[in-house]
Amino acid sequence: EVQLVESGGGLVQPGGSLRLSCAASGFTFSDHYMDWVRQAPGKGLEWVARSRNKASGYTIEYAASVKGRFTISRDDSKNSLYLQMNSLKTEDTAVYYCARAAPHSGSYYFDCWGQGTLVTVSS
Amino acid sequence: DIQMTQAPSSLSASVGDRVTITCRASQGINTYLAWFQQKPGKAPKSLIYAASSLQSGVPSKFSGSGSGTDFTLTISGLQPEDFATYYCHQYTSYPLTFGGGTKVEI
Repeated sequence: EVQLVESGGGLVQPGGSLRLSCAASGFTFSDHYMDWVRQAPGKGLEWVARSRNKASGYTIEYAASVKGRFTISRDDSKNSLYLQMNSLKTEDTAVYYCARAAPHSGSYYFDCWGQGTLVTVSS
Repeated sequence: DIQMTQAPSSLSASVGDRVTITCRASQGINTYLAWFQQKPGKAPKSLIYAASSLQSGVPSKFSGSGSGTDFTLTISGLQPEDFATYYCHQYTSYPLTFGGGTKVEI
């Protein structure tokens, strides 16, 4: 069974840092693109970042709202995805989801999601 | 950025109804369109990809159509467990973007 389990969320002050983790199981993690998607309280879904697989050179994409502050990384030996969040702002408050991306005609769509971890940025 | 606009933002329906949700992209996205279902307090669930392909395990009462800029999600024979918010999503170009959601109330 495919499973994605996020951890690392919590309360942090503005300007602070937090590192999220996503533990994957039930599939060959190294084959897949992996993403972070967030959802502010009562709001819609917002894509945050993507880590491509080894075959695609582990290249990365970021949303403009987090570029320069957040860093996505992965450790294929540990089947894990990470999100290092620095210089956090109150508007980063959200549930952060780890999502697996599957290929479709050269692009990649989300086919599996974790349960999410809540990040609250407040003084 | 490609803007995704869903309509309506909410709707009320009865058990057994057929419901249609529309999604419009601000520019052509071919069929790089997915639909997700999200229930309160839960993670999104993938329903459809490639505009009309059903994700494994998703019941056939869900169907999708469209290409280019205009897409629809149809739910046939609405059941109480279908009460949820539905999101469309384009995955052809960065930044990846989502529609604002359609809340289906039974």
